[in-house]
Amino acid sequence: QEHMVESGGGVVQPGRSLRLSCEGSGFNFSTYGLNWVRQVPGKGLQWVAVIWYDGSQKNYEDSVKGRFTISRDNSKKTLYLQMNSLRAEDTAVYYCARSPWGVGGWCDMWGQGTMVTVSS
Amino acid sequence: DIQMTQSPSSLSASVGDRVTITCRASQGINNYLAWYQQKPGKIPKLLIAAASTLQSGVPSRFSGSGSGTEFTLTISSLQPEDVATYYCQKYNSAPLTFGGGTKVELK
Repeated sequence: QEHMVESGGGVVQPGRSLRLSCEGSGFNFSTYGLNWVRQVPGKGLQWVAVIWYDGSQKNYEDSVKGRFTISRDNSKKTLYLQMNSLRAEDTAVYYCARSPWGVGGWCDMWGQGTMVTVSS
Repeated sequence: DIQMTQSPSSLSASVGDRVTITCRASQGINNYLAWYQQKPGKIPKLLIAAASTLQSGVPSRFSGSGSGTEFTLTISSLQPEDVATYYCQKYNSAPLTFGGGTKVELK
């Protein structure tokens, strides 16, 4: 059965760092593009970042550029999001989502999400 | 960056009604558009990719159309289980922006 499971969320103070992980199983992880998408509870979806199937290309939403880094380890079937200099406005549920296009595209499977709360 | 605008932001309709949601791109995106359904308390679910390609297992009452800058998601006969928020997403190039969402409720 195909699955994506996020971990690493929690409560963190403004200015601090946090690393999210997303482990995939049941599918050929290394052939999919992978995304991070976030959602403030009760609000809409916001795309955050995408990484190509081989990690060679990464793109970010403007508000996280220079602060967040997306990466992947295909040998571990794991996607990461390193979040530095966190701000209150980064508080959200963070979903990982896979794209059948290895270079990014629509998202055909989503994890259950992990909550990140940035608060002093 | 290309902006994605959905309308209406919410709607109320009766069971059996035909419902249409519009998504407009500020620049042409060919047919690189997906539609998602998110039920309350649930994760998003892909309904349609490439503007009009219905995903496996999605009821045929859902359909998508459009190309360029204007797209529509139609529910031909609204069912109680269709109560949800619907989002469009462009994927022609990064940023892979979502529309603001359309909340569909039962009248």
